[in-house]
Amino acid sequence: SQQGEEDPQALSIQEGENATMNCSYKTSINNLQWYRQNSGRGLVHLILIRSNEREKHSGRLRVTLDTSKKSSSLLITASRAADTASYFCATGPLGRGQNFVFGPGTRLSVLP
Amino acid sequence: KAGVTQTPRYLIKTRGQQVTLSCSPISGHRSVSWYQQTPGQGLQFLFEYFSETQRNKGNFPGRFSGRQFSNSRSEMNVSTLELGDSALYLCASSPGTGGPNQPQHFGDGTRLSIL
Repeated sequence: SQQGEEDPQALSIQEGENATMNCSYKTSINNLQWYRQNSGRGLVHLILIRSNEREKHSGRLRVTLDTSKKSSSLLITASRAADTASYFCATGPLGRGQNFVFGPGTRLSVLP
Repeated sequence: KAGVTQTPRYLIKTRGQQVTLSCSPISGHRSVSWYQQTPGQGLQFLFEYFSETQRNKGNFPGRFSGRQFSNSRSEMNVSTLELGDSALYLCASSPGTGGPNQPQHFGDGTRLSIL
């Protein structure tokens, strides 16, 4: 079963608005990563937040992590049509022998 | 640096056949992971190879196998294809050293369709 669960499954907003996606997971993690996938393409790494971090920024992206609630959020500010894609959270393994687990993703549509 | 290259991009097979997919990682990356992506199950981990050794394996039947060569290129093989094997198969590479927490770099995948 998948560890990460994104919420919402789909999100439609207007250009210039902010988009917030949430991710919940079930077990202890070493880190949590967010990826973007454009239709028919591979995943692109966006940002990594370690389990001892609470917030991280990268350009228009802001990620928070609450390990007590086992949840993370990805905020995209001032969205653009080019941000239209699916966004996945992935929980990083605690050690060797464990693998990344991806959530089902949030499909974001940014309307011009 | 060139990115992760997967070949072929598209493949059509029939049930019972076998298929081999190829992945060339980013130069210098020694870890290669494979994932299956379907609308129903999402992204599922198949296996990871590091320095020609399988380091981790997901919960897939033995029909799914892989290998890694000394130049870090990797192949995965699926035998006795079933309709449910239709999916986008993604390969991801990372340096592989310094802990299991590094971002993964994905190729654009091989779209496999089983008729």
